[in-house]
Amino acid sequence: EPEVTQTPSHQVTQMGQEVILRCVPISNHLYFYWYRQILGQKVEFLVSFYNNEISEKSEIFDDQFSVERPDGSNFTLKIRSTKLEDSAMYFCASNNRDSNSPLHFGNGTRLTVT
Amino acid sequence: AQKVTQAQTEISVVEKEDVTLDCVYETRDTTYYLFWYKQPPSGELVFLIRRNSFDEQNEISGRYSWNFQKSTSSFNFTITASQVVDSAVYFCALSEAANQAGTALIFGKGTTLSVSS
Repeated sequence: EPEVTQTPSHQVTQMGQEVILRCVPISNHLYFYWYRQILGQKVEFLVSFYNNEISEKSEIFDDQFSVERPDGSNFTLKIRSTKLEDSAMYFCASNNRDSNSPLHFGNGTRLTVT
Repeated sequence: AQKVTQAQTEISVVEKEDVTLDCVYETRDTTYYLFWYKQPPSGELVFLIRRNSFDEQNEISGRYSWNFQKSTSSFNFTITASQVVDSAVYFCALSEAANQAGTALIFGKGTTLSVSS
């Protein structure tokens, strides 16, 4: 069964550094998402992306964050200048044209900012 | 405003017991979707079920069953004859259909289920 793939599984970075989290959504999906889960807390929506532009974003997704689909398969989340509070698990997800079809989540990237 | 409440933070049961995880939601939309996801200790999010607001039929899938009641804005999840492998965090989530694309899922805080042998 096709799946969403995220790399790396764990990334450690120093405060103030830029980090790029990578995702390969399921190939025939058109909607892409990033969610965040701070350790022990709920999963929070960051941003959705469709047709090469952001379709919705939360208040968490400030100017420090950006998303990009640099080619036909990858979907990236960039954090420009990481802060300690950015430490979390970041999940990428995708779904197809029925925008309320189930989200297929990747296994997540655990970001640790030191 | 949309909101999902999972009042049970942690539940501990012994194998073979039945357990019900509660979920109460708030939304102003008449069309919406409800979901349950499982997050095992390995951390991934596993889709379990989606239910739309017009379908109040209860659903059963093996040992899992879901009870959707619009009158009480609840979408409860029952595991029958629980097993150790059911130990995980379970999230209830809501999606409003107002957005045409990229609809955000709003998650509850999750219920940690521990099943001991």
